[in-house]
Formats: sequence, C-alpha cells, structure tokens
Amino acid sequence: QSVLTQPPSVSGAPGQRVTISCTGGSSNIGADFDVHWYQHLPGTAPKLLIYGNNNRPSGVPDRFSGSKSGTSASLAITGLQAEDEADYYCQSYDSSLSGVVFGGGTKLTVL
Amino acid sequence: QVHLQESGPGLVKPSQTLSLTCTVSGGSISSGNYYWSWVRQPAGKGLEWIGRIYTSGSTNYNPSLKSRVTISVDTSKNQFSLKLSSVTAADTAVYYCARVSRIYSVAMDVWGQGTTVTVSS
Repeated sequence: QSVLTQPPSVSGAPGQRVTISCTGGSSNIGADFDVHWYQHLPGTAPKLLIYGNNNRPSGVPDRFSGSKSGTSASLAITGLQAEDEADYYCQSYDSSLSGVVFGGGTKLTVL
Repeated sequence: QVHLQESGPGLVKPSQTLSLTCTVSGGSISSGNYYWSWVRQPAGKGLEWIGRIYTSGSTNYNPSLKSRVTISVDTSKNQFSLKLSSVTAADTAVYYCARVSRIYSVAMDVWGQGTTVTVSS
C-alpha cells in the first residue's frame, strides 16, 4: 500500500485531455512538500516530467502540467499522443517516515 | 550531459548481500547541487525508494529497509554504492540509481537505465 494514492489506470483517445490524481496526507503533500511526476516506459529509465508541483524541465512539452491543492496533486496531459502511453508516478517527501515516497503508479492507455 | 550507470551481479543467493555500484560520468559527484539515490521496482509493481546519500556521506534510508541497507559514496571514483544484506526473493527487482537535484526542488532529474537483480539459489 503506497503512501501516495494514484488510480491504477486511466485512458483517453488521441487529442483528448486526461488527468492523473495523487492523494496524500498531512505528513506529505498536505505538509507542503513538493510533488514531482515521472514518466516511465518499460525497460527504460524513468523520466522527470514535472518538478516542484508545476514546473517542467526543459524539453518536456507544455502538454504536460501539474497542480497541487491541499493533500492532493494532479498531472494533466492535453492533446494525447500515442507516445504518451506509459506509467506515471507521483513522488513527494513524508515527514512521518522521514523519507521519499512514491505513488503506486498509473498506467495511461491511449485508445 | 550527466550519465549514470548501474553495475553489479545480476544474481544473488538468498541470505547474501546484494552489492551495486552507480558510476557517474559527465559531471562531478561532489557538486553541492546534487545528492544521490537508489530506487527499485519489483516486477509488476511500482517504484520504491531505497535511500539517498549526500556527498558529505550523510544518509537517509527507507524505514522498511533501513536495518539492511548501506549506501556509500566514493568521490575519488565518482561512484556511489548500495549494499542490501540478508536478501530474499522479495528483493528481486530492477534497481535504479538517480541524481537528486536541488535545482529541481530535490526531484530525481537523471536516472540510470536500471539493472535487474534476481535473488535465487
């Protein structure tokens, strides 16, 4: 059971918009620790997609955006493309555990 | 461009110690802007943080693994290492090393390709 809760799967047609939620608690997201998002294709290295809740590293398309409110965060992907099909993970810090925590991951399927 | 590469045995016997090394190329492991982490992913499961080390040598570990984990750094070789003792089949996973960047709000901005470690007799 992950400290951060994500839906196991989401799907959308090409061109559509999807969101992936990441729900935490008062010792992590709710304690104002930053949330980061990673894209992971099987057999490859995870890729940093969003850092510090809503910032994109250079090279990440602006189709990807992040937000945070209260004890939750979200990743939004607009203009879905086939290449977006991957697993997505949120990550934060938990003060009760004194360590980094990941969400369980969400598999995005592009229909 | 910084590159991370994991290395170590792909097969470890139960009760033995898993040892992996991450070699950092294209940049100095001693830079104050970064520290260094290990993350693993068992087959069919999500990412699990193992621990991190600062170039000062200070460490933080996942509480669930803390009693068995040691992470160390060798600045002369630009490497950091993971040791996980008393392994069982549950430790079978792909192990990744990653750079944690203060510039990116302590997100993991560079990752190795990962190395598969199987625990089996």
